[in-house]
Amino acid sequence: QQQVKQSPQSLIVQKGGISIINCAYENTAFDYFPWYQQFPGKGPALLIAIRPDVSEKKEGRFTISFNKSAKQFSLHIMDSQPGDSATYFCAASFGGGSEKLVFGKGTKLTVNP
Amino acid sequence: DGGITQSPKYLFRKEGQNVTLSCEQNLNHDAMYWYRQDPGQGLRLIYYSQIVNDFQKGDIAEGYSVSREKKESFPLTVTSAQKNPTAFYLCASSPWERGRETQYFGPGTRLLVL
Repeated sequence: QQQVKQSPQSLIVQKGGISIINCAYENTAFDYFPWYQQFPGKGPALLIAIRPDVSEKKEGRFTISFNKSAKQFSLHIMDSQPGDSATYFCAASFGGGSEKLVFGKGTKLTVNP
Repeated sequence: DGGITQSPKYLFRKEGQNVTLSCEQNLNHDAMYWYRQDPGQGLRLIYYSQIVNDFQKGDIAEGYSVSREKKESFPLTVTSAQKNPTAFYLCASSPWERGRETQYFGPGTRLLVL
């Protein structure tokens, strides 16, 4: 019920390609869905986040697509660049504060030049 | 310069020893969190605190202890009861307010067992 399942575990994309990372959840009480980007040896940083009242949110080359009925959300990275190579985590939380932020297990993205 | 600082960057623990990881924030956030990160496991919540002098166990609190005597500080002690402490430890903070859930993370402390 509290899990967020993330796939794929690793992803290799050519420069200029589209990177797609998927997450699925069970608990319909989740109402906040952030994506974090983490470079090796660093702490994660918020990339983009969405709430269930919208189906898509775009910030630059990064887009979250949200499918409430399927309980799935995904991150699309357009025109992927070598500098995007990092580990990406989806997460979900609910209820008034963010103490229930539940993370997926991460996707290691490699963008080849 | 606002942010979260963690120290030390690397920490070595001997068998049977307690060690304390430091976390300080100057973002004036009410809530602070400790996560453990293992390869392929994502981030798992150890403890969190919404206000000074109050804290709650997360999913993997056994073998850890915390204190929250000041708003800015949330140290984590890894006790000798934690049998597998080798991991990357991340501290985070956030406002405790719906609509402002973003958690901001520190640079992490890597704990290794000698």
